[in-house]
Amino acid sequence: ELKVEQNPLFLSMQEGKNYTIYCNYSTTSDRLYWYRQDPGKSLESLFVLLSNGAVKQEGRLMASLDTKARLSTLHITAAVHDLSATYFCADTGGTSGSRLTFGEGTQLTVNP
Amino acid sequence: EPEVTQTPSHQVTQMGQEVILRCVPISNHLYFYWYRQILGQKVEFLVSFYNNEISEKSEIFDDQFSVERPDGSNFTLKIRSTKLEDSAMYFCASSWDLRRGGNNEQFFGPGTRLTVL
Repeated sequence: ELKVEQNPLFLSMQEGKNYTIYCNYSTTSDRLYWYRQDPGKSLESLFVLLSNGAVKQEGRLMASLDTKARLSTLHITAAVHDLSATYFCADTGGTSGSRLTFGEGTQLTVNP
Repeated sequence: EPEVTQTPSHQVTQMGQEVILRCVPISNHLYFYWYRQILGQKVEFLVSFYNNEISEKSEIFDDQFSVERPDGSNFTLKIRSTKLEDSAMYFCASSWDLRRGGNNEQFFGPGTRLTVL
């Protein structure tokens, strides 16, 4: 059974600080997805990581993938309040067109 | 920019009633999905649909659930006899824009909040 585990599940941080969210998955997949969800809203695709060593950056967020360690990270640089949301990583087990198995989500709160 | 749409945004029903949730996936996407999210919990896969048939389903997707693509644009999820525990947000998603070579990035609709009383 494919498992995806995130930590921490809750993260409260001050504006301007840096932090990393970790995502461990159980398969030999070489692709990993990050989504953002605001309260009561849908899931917004943030990053698609398609190979070992992939690194993608968008604004204050940077995601990376280490398929050997089965680990993806989402790094937040100099957090701002607008980044407050729940962040999910998801894995497909490496099969195209396959289900996404989501982690439990990391609820990020950025305090002024 | 193309997007997945869903209707209704909120559905309230009595236990035991049938509900149909509707979705219009992104044009030219080939894979369609339904997920659900119980309040405060993670997103769970229900079913995927490709080439007019179910390609994969989870243990949640029992005989009470069915999916259909009645025409070239709509994709529906039917729950035949709703239970209290079916109350959740239901998300439709689609993936694989063949013209762009797709990477299985799944695009989610805004969701339908189903409340079973």
